[in-house]
Amino acid sequence: DSGVTQTPKHLITATGQRVTLRCSPRSGDLSVYWYQQSLDQGLQFLIQYYNGEERAKGNILERFSAQQFPDLHSELNLSSLELGDSALYFCASSVGQGANTIYFGEGSWLTVV
Amino acid sequence: AQSVAQPEDQVNVAEGNPLTVKCTYSVSGNPYLFWYVQYPNRGLQFLLKYITGDNLVKGSYGFEAEFNKSQTSFHLKKPSALVSDSALYFCAVSDGNNRLAFGKGNQVVVIP
Repeated sequence: DSGVTQTPKHLITATGQRVTLRCSPRSGDLSVYWYQQSLDQGLQFLIQYYNGEERAKGNILERFSAQQFPDLHSELNLSSLELGDSALYFCASSVGQGANTIYFGEGSWLTVV
Repeated sequence: AQSVAQPEDQVNVAEGNPLTVKCTYSVSGNPYLFWYVQYPNRGLQFLLKYITGDNLVKGSYGFEAEFNKSQTSFHLKKPSALVSDSALYFCAVSDGNNRLAFGKGNQVVVIP
């Protein structure tokens, strides 16, 4: 168990809908990351937050947004969902920035039908 | 931008034999290298990392990796593979900004 908690574990929703994925980082970790894993794209970095502030953006679509709250938990919001958004979404956390080890949660499986 | 290449899609090895999973990287500046393992329907588990120092890094579950700067490689090794090592293995690189770039992964199959 990495200590990173993600909910829900599985989610099925229809195209055009909006969902929110939730993540609690490991105790003491200030950085939160979101990654998307799909068969065709592999593991893609989406976005990073550090202590409530956005620090880096990767291949995140404009339909997607995220935030990190004062208690350090984070949410990834996915809207106007398309079939191609079906993927495994990972949250990860680390103590700080730099070369710290990043620990991953178990992921949230999103299926768009 | 940093990138990782894992040239083999699948690595088959007999139980008890040495296991090697290959990884080469590209990054500007000093590389920070990581190996993760993913079991079916599970998250990524951290195995080991190289930041600086000794080129041979030891990690979890008997795994180790050797950093080779001249060949820009960071191959994962285990002296004696177990059936329970069958999983998907990912190499990742960062230039210190904590944005990990992952390879496509290698499926390891350990044959009893």
